[in-house]
Amino acid sequence: EPEVTQTPSHQVTQMGQEVILRCVPISNHLYFYWYRQILGQKVEFLVSFYNNEISEKSEIFDDQFSVERPDGSNFTLKIRSTKLEDSAMYFCASNVGTDEKLFFGSGTQLSVL
Amino acid sequence: QKEVEQNSGPLSVPEGAIASLNCTYSDRVSQSFFWYRQYSGKSPELIMSIYSNGDKEDGRFTAQLNKASQYVSLLIRDSQPSDSATYLCAVNRDSDSWGKLQFGAGTQVVVTP
Repeated sequence: EPEVTQTPSHQVTQMGQEVILRCVPISNHLYFYWYRQILGQKVEFLVSFYNNEISEKSEIFDDQFSVERPDGSNFTLKIRSTKLEDSAMYFCASNVGTDEKLFFGSGTQLSVL
Repeated sequence: QKEVEQNSGPLSVPEGAIASLNCTYSDRVSQSFFWYRQYSGKSPELIMSIYSNGDKEDGRFTAQLNKASQYVSLLIRDSQPSDSATYLCAVNRDSDSWGKLQFGAGTQVVVTP
C-alpha cells in the first residue's frame, strides 16, 4: 500500500533555531496536511494545503509556521524560531480530496531544548 | 470551543469480549465521524467512518451514530490482544475539507489474555 513518508523521524533542536520537517505525500493525492500531537494530548490540526496554497489553518499555525511544496513531491513544514512548547510529534497527512480516508505519515518527533 | 470528548480509560477488556467506546461532540453541524486507532508512538490509522444515523459494521468493528444526541460509539467484537491501542474519535464539520479533523483525546483499550 502506498504511504506518506516523513523525514527525519527524530529532530532535536535548540530553542530559537529554525527547523524544517519534510514529507512526501502519496503521489496521486491532492490535499496535504500537518497535524501535531504533544505527548499525552490530542492530535491537533495545523494546516491544510491544496493547489499550492494554504486552504485552512488553525490558531496554532501562527507566523512562526510556514508550509511549502517546493517541488512536485515534497511538502515541508518550517518552524522559524522554535519554542519549548513546539516539542511534539508532527504528522503529515494526505488524501485524494474526494475520499475521506486520510493517510498519515509515521511522524517526526521534534524535541526543542 | 467545539469539543470532541472521550473517556480516557484505560478500558480493560478480556480477550474475546466486546469493547465499547463512546464519543460525544459539541458541534451540531458536524457531518462526518471517524474512528482511528493509534498504537503507542505511531500515527493514527483509520478503522471506521460513519456519516448517517444508525449502525455501520466492518468486520469486528461496528460504529454507531446518533446525531440528535451528538454521540458516536465504536464496538469491537471478539477483542484480541492486537486491539490494545488508543482509539481516537475524530469529527469533520465540512465535507469540502475531508482532511480537517477535530480529534478527541482517545480511549486507551487494553485487551487482557
